Amino acid sequence: EDQVTQSPEALRLQEGESSSLNCSYTVSGLRGLFWYRQDPGKGPEFLFTLYSAGEEKEKERLKATLTKKESFLHITAPKPEDSATYLCAVQKSRPGAQKLVFGQGTRLTINP
Amino acid sequence: DAGVTQSPTHLIKTRGQQVTLRCSPKSGHDTVSWYQQALGQGPQFIFQYYEEEERQRGNFPDRFSGHQFPNYSSELNVNALLLGDSALYLCASSWTSGGARGTQYFGPGTRLLVL
Repeated sequence: EDQVTQSPEALRLQEGESSSLNCSYTVSGLRGLFWYRQDPGKGPEFLFTLYSAGEEKEKERLKATLTKKESFLHITAPKPEDSATYLCAVQKSRPGAQKLVFGQGTRLTINP
Repeated sequence: DAGVTQSPTHLIKTRGQQVTLRCSPKSGHDTVSWYQQALGQGPQFIFQYYEEEERQRGNFPDRFSGHQFPNYSSELNVNALLLGDSALYLCASSWTSGGARGTQYFGPGTRLLVL
């Protein structure tokens, strides 16, 4: 069965303190791995899609990488406004199988 | 360009009642997916609609049903509400017809509370 596990569940950093969030996955045939940011009470906001091992994507202070078993979201010199829950999801390559399977998320808090 | 919109934003119902939630997809998108998100958990896939038909379904009972209209908007219906149905219901839209890789964009959600 497809499974996504994110770690840690929660992470508290000081402003400017860089770190990484982990997303481990097991899926038979990966079509894509997605990262979303979710603020409390809001819908997930799309950040990145990664399609193959070795691929990297960057946006401001965020950088996502992908291997055959896991993905990392690196946060460089974070600011308080980066505080949110970060969700990882996978999508299978089987035709018509477009559902996203999500992890439970990592709740990130950046203290000023 | 309007993103995904959902209505209502909040809803309070009692056990046994029925509820209808609505979603308008992002402009240019033709596929709508629905997810249920319990507090502190990741979203769980309910079903997906494309060309007015249910294309894929998650592990949810038949009490959960949906519909897609010719303008691509969609409804989620839940019958015989249970306390455990209290959650944030998320709609996501994507573009299938153009061969895109199906990135899903989410709406703000509808918060349902069942008393």
